[in-house]
Amino acid sequence: AQKVTQAQTEISVVEKEDVTLDCVYETRDTTYYLFWYKQPPSGELVFLIRRNSFDEQNEISGRYSWNFQKSTSSFNFTITASQVVDSAVYFCALSEASGGSNYKLTFGKGTLLTVNP
Amino acid sequence: NAGVTQTPKFRILKIGQSMTLQCTQDMNHNYMYWYRQDPGMGLKLIYYSVGAGITDKGEVPNGYNVSRSTTEDFPLRLELAAPSQTSVYFCASFNRVMYGYTFGSGTRLTVV
Repeated sequence: AQKVTQAQTEISVVEKEDVTLDCVYETRDTTYYLFWYKQPPSGELVFLIRRNSFDEQNEISGRYSWNFQKSTSSFNFTITASQVVDSAVYFCALSEASGGSNYKLTFGKGTLLTVNP
Repeated sequence: NAGVTQTPKFRILKIGQSMTLQCTQDMNHNYMYWYRQDPGMGLKLIYYSVGAGITDKGEVPNGYNVSRSTTEDFPLRLELAAPSQTSVYFCASFNRVMYGYTFGSGTRLTVV
């Protein structure tokens, strides 16, 4: 069974600090996809990134970066020079790509990030 | 606009009432999902469908029913509302080619 663990329930930082959100996953599939979503106070789910299990290259998008390490089953998310607008709940999610799983997306419990001015 | 449309956005139900949460997508996706989000608990899968006429239970199906008579529509039915069903409900569809999910904007349901 697939599982995603986000051990950090809440994180509070001051603006311009760097912050890393942790994500650890479990799966028996060799082919899978990992996702990060942002949920701002307005409530919608905003897609941030998708990474497949065969691509361990780290990715950077502006102030956001992601570190995927299969050896530790982790897919961590770092925000550099955080801003107040980054305040949100962030979800890590896993989807097994074998047809038998029917592509169900399993979410972690989320990390509430508060960036204070 | 292409996407997943959920209605209503907000609803207050009394205990024992029933209602249907509507979900429609216009992207011709076969796979569709219903999730509920409780505070601090992430999103949990209620039901899913792999195509018209085919549905199956997810992690937390009790108290809910679904149907999938067309590719576009995947309604979620609450027959006897209970306070434990107070939650935010998200519908999603999945694009196998792009391997991506499209979520609706959610329905906030309160049962009193």
